[in-house]
Amino acid sequence: GAVVSQHPSRVICKSGTSVKIECRSLDFQATTMFWYRQFPKQSLMLMATSNEGSKATYEQGVEKDKFLINHASLTLSTLTVTSAHPEDSSFYICSARRHGDEAFFGQGTRLTVV
Amino acid sequence: SQQGEEDPQALSIQEGENATMNCSYKTSINNLQWYRQNSGRGLVHLILIRSNEREKHSGRLRVTLDTSKKSSSLLITASRAADTASYFCATSLMDSSYKLIFGSGTRLLVRP
Repeated sequence: GAVVSQHPSRVICKSGTSVKIECRSLDFQATTMFWYRQFPKQSLMLMATSNEGSKATYEQGVEKDKFLINHASLTLSTLTVTSAHPEDSSFYICSARRHGDEAFFGQGTRLTVV
Repeated sequence: SQQGEEDPQALSIQEGENATMNCSYKTSINNLQWYRQNSGRGLVHLILIRSNEREKHSGRLRVTLDTSKKSSSLLITASRAADTASYFCATSLMDSSYKLIFGSGTRLLVRP
C-alpha cells in the first residue's frame, strides 16, 4: 500500500508558541490531503481539506487563522497550530488520497501544549 | 462533523467469540470503510465496501452494507486478544470532496 509519513510523532510545546506538523506522501502524488483531530477516547473529526496549490477548505467550527494549512506540493501538506494553548492538545492525523477511493493515513502527531 | 453513530460504544468478549459492530450514517455515500486503531496510534485500513456492494469478506472480517437503511456491520470471527482496539467506520460522501467522515467508534476488548 501507499505510504504517508507524518512528522513529528510527538511534540510538546509551550503555550503561545506555534507548532508545524508535516504530512508527506512518500510514493505517490496526493492532490488532496485531509487533516483530522482526535481527542482522547473520541472519534476523528475532520478539520480541513487541503488541495495542492489552492486554499484549504475548513470544516465548520475550525478556526482558519489558528490552524494554518499549506499544501505546497503534490507530496507535502503542513498544518501549523498557531499560538497553541493547552486545549489544542490532541492527536492530529493526516490522510492523503491517491487516485481511487482509498485514503492513506499518517501515523499521527500527539501534541501536548504546556 | 460526524456522519453517524456506531454501536455498541464498547464491547467485551472472550477470545474465540465473534464480535459484531454496527455503523449507521446519514447521507448518501460512495463507499464505506472500516478502520482499526490501537490506543494512541494511527489508523489501519481494514476493508472498503462500495455503495453497490452488499457484502465483503477479508480473512476473519465480514462487512455488510445496507444502503436502504444507511447502515453497515463489521463482523470479526474467532476473535483474538490481538484484535483488542477501537474500530471506526468512515463514509466517503457522494460528492466530489472525497472526504472521509468517521463514526463514533467501538472499543473492542477481547479477553484472553
